[in-house]
Amino acid sequence: DGGITQSPKYLFRKEGQNVTLSCEQNLNHDAMYWYRQDPGQGLRLIYYSQIVNDFQKGDIAEGYSVSREKKESFPLTVTSAQKNPTAFYLCASRHRGGQGDTEAFFGQGTRLTVV
Amino acid sequence: AQSVSQHNHHVILSEAASLELGCNYSYGGTVNLFWYVQYPGQHLQLLLKYFSGDPLVKGIKGFEAEFIKSKFSFNLRKPSVQWSDTAEYFCAVNAGGYNKLIFGAGTRLAVHP
Repeated sequence: DGGITQSPKYLFRKEGQNVTLSCEQNLNHDAMYWYRQDPGQGLRLIYYSQIVNDFQKGDIAEGYSVSREKKESFPLTVTSAQKNPTAFYLCASRHRGGQGDTEAFFGQGTRLTVV
Repeated sequence: AQSVSQHNHHVILSEAASLELGCNYSYGGTVNLFWYVQYPGQHLQLLLKYFSGDPLVKGIKGFEAEFIKSKFSFNLRKPSVQWSDTAEYFCAVNAGGYNKLIFGAGTRLAVHP
């Protein structure tokens, strides 16, 4: 089945540690996104990527980093510089251009808790 | 910069009441517009989308939305809600030619039997 897989589902991190969240898609989508979801604030865009080896900062990129070495993978690293990392993180992908745009498809999310 | 506003943060309705959730965006050019729903404990699902053509868009589960370009709006409607519509609803905008997909803050809908 095609889809987006985020792992792990739950993640605990000690303060001061970096942690990497995985996102893999087998939908052959070019564009991939990372969002952070907090109660009452909706989904806020952290980073997005249009193609391999290219990515742009979203609205709340500080304290986060990403890479896009493969089309199907877009890992997010939450660094120790992120002041309030406890949140629900969502990865998404979509097709752009060519045959036409699609909506974004979402993974099940990773809940990160800093302890 | 593009942005999305959802004016109603919490809505409480009785079953069979009509629903309208507001969504306004700021971008002057071509846009793609979406409404997503997140049921409790579940992942985000697409309700409907607008790319071009008829500004009245019909989605799943009896939902529809109308794109009014002059008002920069894309309001979501349903004539008669059910208890199972209890969820959080998100409006999203993608400005034409760009990949930046922006979401609103969401509207939490509670439907009472």
